[in-house]
Amino acid sequence: NAGVMQNPRHLVRRRGQEARLRCSPMKGHSHVYWYRQLPEEGLKFMVYLQKENIIDESGMPKERFSAEFPKEGPSILRIQQVVRGDSAAYFCASSFSTGYNEQFFGPGTRLTVL
Amino acid sequence: KNQVEQSPQSLIILEGKNCTLQCNYTVSPFSNLRWYKQDTGRGPVSLTIMTFSENTKSNGRYTATLDADTKQSSLHITASQLSDSASYICVVIHAGNNRKLIWGLGTSLGVNP
Repeated sequence: NAGVMQNPRHLVRRRGQEARLRCSPMKGHSHVYWYRQLPEEGLKFMVYLQKENIIDESGMPKERFSAEFPKEGPSILRIQQVVRGDSAAYFCASSFSTGYNEQFFGPGTRLTVL
Repeated sequence: KNQVEQSPQSLIILEGKNCTLQCNYTVSPFSNLRWYKQDTGRGPVSLTIMTFSENTKSNGRYTATLDADTKQSSLHITASQLSDSASYICVVIHAGNNRKLIWGLGTSLGVNP
């Protein structure tokens, strides 16, 4: 049973470009969470999704950031017009049941904005 | 305000020694508390999950304690190994508010030979 998979593991973008981060949850999990971790800081919750629904996006910046979890395929975190401050590690986690039950984390995507 | 505070911020110990990490929280109502280990460059991995009624839970050389009255938890690491070098993060789950996770900033532990 493969764990949570994220790709790419490393992503380099120039200012103004778009970044797309992908997350495939563990088999059987239909709940996905995205977190951001800035250098030397703790994890910050961004968004919680179930299949085709956004449950809680209270941690998501209002502009340039969006997330989706379609019926088929991975969850996508999309950052438009990236800025240097977006450079961070972005972690995805998944869980089996509703709410915020035990979450299993992926290895993260390290985004560097030049 | 729902918060989780951890201490110390960082700690360096010699291999083979024991250490204890602290977590104080103000989250209410409380559902459960978790300790995660995050190796550098990796995602967090769950060490223990403790509910309101549990005082102690062990996972190998890791032992977590919980005092729900004082809203304090500790993680004790016995006979430390070099591979224990990591960030240890305390997470408290809010019983209401869609069961949101409240994350501490972590304690960075370094184990030296």
